[in-house]
Amino acid sequence: AQKITQTQPGMFVQEKEAVTLDCTYDTSDQSYGLFWYKQPSSGEMIFLIYQGSYDEQNATEGRYSLNFQKARKSANLVISASQLGDSAMYFCAMRERYRDDKIIFGKGTRLHILP
Amino acid sequence: EAQVTQNPRYLITVTGKKLTVTCSQNMNHEYMSWYRQDPGLGLRQIYYSMNVEVTDKGDVPEGYKVSRKEKRNFPLILESPSPNQTSLYFCASSLVGTNYEQYFGPGTRLTVT
Repeated sequence: AQKITQTQPGMFVQEKEAVTLDCTYDTSDQSYGLFWYKQPSSGEMIFLIYQGSYDEQNATEGRYSLNFQKARKSANLVISASQLGDSAMYFCAMRERYRDDKIIFGKGTRLHILP
Repeated sequence: EAQVTQNPRYLITVTGKKLTVTCSQNMNHEYMSWYRQDPGLGLRQIYYSMNVEVTDKGDVPEGYKVSRKEKRNFPLILESPSPNQTSLYFCASSLVGTNYEQYFGPGTRLTVT
């Protein structure tokens, strides 16, 4: 069963607009971590932001924030004031404690920022 | 500089010819992992290791082997590669725990003909 779902295969957003990338997850564990990674066209994987299952505040890192809704099992990435350099593939991932630290990735969302 | 290195970066081989992709990290991380990335499928975990001499299967382990004899190295072995193993492979490392992000190597593009 799909444990991380990213429903948007591709998105087009105008430069300077905010963008939300969706991620829903499925777990019965109480202790888990949620991560977002960026993969530009050059291919490297870049860590963006982390949210812990016990964190009460939404995580923020510069222009990135994570809209964490635990009851709905969603962990959407919000990029404020998008830039051309934000064009990339974005992956949501989950790390579960009871599964011996196994890590599951979503299928990704390809974001295109339009000038 | 903290990093994860993979070699080779690119490899074209033929069906059945054994190959090894090396992975090394210099951050003293206990956790190391291999992923394959295929279009439309995201990253899928092949094998992971939580420490020396400890390895576990990920979601797609068939056709692959790994070993963890030293903390810094985690080679991926394809004993008899097949065309369906043509993919982009990433090695990653981190500390153990649900709150630690992974550090990724640059990737290895493998083509099996």
